[in-house]
Amino acid sequence: EDKVVQSPLSLVVHEGDTVTLNCSYEVTNFRSLLWYKQEKKAPTFLFMLTSSGIEKKSGRLSSILDKKELFSILNITATQTGDSAVYLCATNTGNQFYFGTGTSLTVIP
Amino acid sequence: KAGVTQTPRYLIKTRGQQVTLSCSPISGHRSVSWYQQTPGQGLQFLFEYFSETQRNKGNFPGRFSGRQFSNSRSEMNVSTLELGDSALYLCASSLKLTSTDTQYFGPGTRLTVL
Repeated sequence: EDKVVQSPLSLVVHEGDTVTLNCSYEVTNFRSLLWYKQEKKAPTFLFMLTSSGIEKKSGRLSSILDKKELFSILNITATQTGDSAVYLCATNTGNQFYFGTGTSLTVIP
Repeated sequence: KAGVTQTPRYLIKTRGQQVTLSCSPISGHRSVSWYQQTPGQGLQFLFEYFSETQRNKGNFPGRFSGRQFSNSRSEMNVSTLELGDSALYLCASSLKLTSTDTQYFGPGTRLTVL
């Protein structure tokens, strides 16, 4: 059965901290892995990863994929209260997207 | 470019009723996927339509159905509503759902079944 597992389920940090969110997957016909940020509305796209070892970076956020060990991490440095959200990881098999249940991040001022 | 739109945004129904939700994808996008999101289960895939054909289907009962029109707009129907159908229903569109596609989500329809 295809599945995507995220950890931790929730995280509370102080502003300025660095966090690492984890996503492991077991899917057939893996094509790409995506990260989304969901606040009190629809998920918004952050990154798409297709190749191992190549870091994608956007401001304070970065992500990397390991296709051998079947996982990805999302790093957020110098966290801000605006980073508080649920972060979703998904895999694209070309037929559909499989989502993890998300990591809820709360950043305290 | 306008984003994905969903109507209605909120809906309250009673058990046994049926409901139809609508999704308009981003212009040019031909793939529309539907998801159910609940606090305990996260995002669960319902089905995906491409060029008016259902290409993929998740593990939901037959009470959940959908269709896509020639303009790529999609509707989802749930018949004989149950309390457990209360959820946020998200629609996402992509160009054609290939390995390099990204899905863009609509704001969702929050369905409450009483």
